Amino acid sequence: AQTVTQSQPEMSVQEAETVTLSCTYDTSESDYYLFWYKQPPSRQMILVIRQEAYKQQNATENRFSVNFQKAAKSFSLKISDSQLGDAAMYFCAYRSADSGANNLFFGTGTRLTVIP
Amino acid sequence: ETGVTQTPRHLVMGMTNKKSLKCEQHLGHNAMYWYKQSAKKPLELMFVYNFKEQTENNSVPSRFSPECPNSSHLFLHLHTLQPEDSALYLCASSQVILQGTSTDTQYFGPGTRLTVL
Repeated sequence: AQTVTQSQPEMSVQEAETVTLSCTYDTSESDYYLFWYKQPPSRQMILVIRQEAYKQQNATENRFSVNFQKAAKSFSLKISDSQLGDAAMYFCAYRSADSGANNLFFGTGTRLTVIP
Repeated sequence: ETGVTQTPRHLVMGMTNKKSLKCEQHLGHNAMYWYKQSAKKPLELMFVYNFKEQTENNSVPSRFSPECPNSSHLFLHLHTLQPEDSALYLCASSQVILQGTSTDTQYFGPGTRLTVL
């Protein structure tokens, strides 16, 4: 089974600064999808950004961008100009591109604190 | 109503009780999921329903029983639970495309915080 590892249980960033959250994964597949989800204290899991493994270009979504290194099986999330509302648990997730595969494999999460 | 809703948001039950969790999605999706989220552990997929048919059961104990009467509603029936079943139970939905690949992004509800005494 695929595994997703987030080695930083907690991170903190000063408001308006930039922070990078790490994620690595293990798979033997060549085609797959990677996701970053955010779970604020209200608990609703929200999709932040998505990356298709066949695309070399890193995904960006406003202040959020990823550094996707397929050979290294690394998928980090960069948050620029951090805001207080960015404080949350961040989960990295992997899904096979096989149309018959439904399972999302999640990491254990990184708790991000934003310091005013 | 927006996205994926879950009720109740909090539930406390004894080990001999029977209760049900409800999930409803308003996104027109055709697949729904139950996940268990425990402290310091990755989210665990419990059940998957594609087109109202159960397609995956990740070795979940029989004290958890899912029901999917239509593509918009998903239930998780609970009976004779154990204290270690206390967790946040998340429901999600997605649009599955059977032919070819699909990004199949899953959208989550707010969860039900379950405490088993």
